[in-house]
Amino acid sequence: AQRVTQPEKLLSVFKGAPVELKCNYSYSGSPELFWYVQYSRQRLQLLLRHISRESIKGFTADLNKGETSFHLKKPFAQEEDSAMYYCALSTDSWGKFQFGAGTQVVVTP
Amino acid sequence: DTEVTQTPKHLVMGMTNKKSLKCEQHMGHRAMYWYKQKAKKPPELMFVYSYEKLSINESVPSRFSPECPNSSLLNLHLHALQPEDSALYLCASSLLGGSPGELFFGEGSRLTVL
Repeated sequence: AQRVTQPEKLLSVFKGAPVELKCNYSYSGSPELFWYVQYSRQRLQLLLRHISRESIKGFTADLNKGETSFHLKKPFAQEEDSAMYYCALSTDSWGKFQFGAGTQVVVTP
Repeated sequence: DTEVTQTPKHLVMGMTNKKSLKCEQHMGHRAMYWYKQKAKKPPELMFVYSYEKLSINESVPSRFSPECPNSSLLNLHLHALQPEDSALYLCASSLLGGSPGELFFGEGSRLTVL
């Protein structure tokens, strides 16, 4: 069975400090992994996906198949990064996404 | 138009009522989804429609009845709900293709069952 684990419910960091959100998955096949973000009073939206290998809003995430991880990183956190972040796994093309429990990020000045 | 629109934003209903949630998108997406989200929890998949046909039902109780009248519209009919069904109901859409596409979410319909 597929599973997505985000071990941290809450991550509090100072502005300008690095931030790393952990995501581990279990799936025997070739996964598609995503990070979704939900800012306060906004809809859930895609932040980035592993196949695009791009940096969005300064965030990057690398898929490590050996460690079955897809951690999200940003070298210098900004106050506007405060949000709920969900790691998501999709194993087919029919949109069956499995979301992790989410990590609330709070960036304090 | 690159948005998924959900109505109503808020709904309060009794356990004997019948109501419907509506979702609309005009991005040409051929997959549409219903998710349920409880407070401080991740979205849980309920139903997936692909090319207007129900392709995934995650063992959702029959008091929730989805309907996809056309490729742009998705409804969720509610009947005889329980208080524990109170939640944020999210609609999403995506392109269908060889690999999972990005999910575009609506703002949700917040349902309270009394």
